[in-house]
Amino acid sequence: GQQLNQSPQSMFIQEGEDVSMNCTSSSIFNTWLWYKQDPGEGPVLLIALYKAGELTSNGRLTAQFGITRKDSFLNISASIPSDVGIYFCAGQLPGTYKYIFGTGTRLKVLA
Amino acid sequence: DAGVTQSPTHLIKTRGQQVTLRCSPKSGHDTVSWYQQALGQGPQFIFQYYEEEERQRGNFPDRFSGHQFPNYSSELNVNALLLGDSALYLCASSLVSPGAQYFGPGTRLTVL
Repeated sequence: GQQLNQSPQSMFIQEGEDVSMNCTSSSIFNTWLWYKQDPGEGPVLLIALYKAGELTSNGRLTAQFGITRKDSFLNISASIPSDVGIYFCAGQLPGTYKYIFGTGTRLKVLA
Repeated sequence: DAGVTQSPTHLIKTRGQQVTLRCSPKSGHDTVSWYQQALGQGPQFIFQYYEEEERQRGNFPDRFSGHQFPNYSSELNVNALLLGDSALYLCASSLVSPGAQYFGPGTRLTVL
């Protein structure tokens, strides 16, 4: 199935470090969503972005809707152990109601 | 405020059988989407229901069908189960499109 490219695939970081991940595509999107998923559970919505260039924060998380509408970025500041999990981006194609998900970034935090 | 709920939590079926999964949307939401998530991958869009009609469908065969009820809850039916149908099935609800989708905990289907 169709998926967006997310990078990095996985990352190990020390507690307290900042984290950056991104999602890229050759297609433009109208909406970007960022989710965190723990093993065996459903994705939890972190941030929603609706306009090109939009920058939105949710606590220690900040996400941006790329100006070209083909990418999005998520930053986590001062990581803590509970940030461990898989982060997914999802983009909504113009003229459709479906979201395409990224391949995921697996984050592991070392205490 | 009740979130998205799904039932059952786990299900084990054999090849060729049929299965029905259920979803109740978040309070106030009228749109339900279903996704299939294979191990190690991102969710794949199956279809979306709005006003009791299938509004959009992903690349899934006709063995996958659904229904939305007047109270906005929804069912996903899969006929003639294959081993490859084993996955986590996720339901997501939203209010408007484009809009943020909120996921339920999922139903883990195992086909033997």
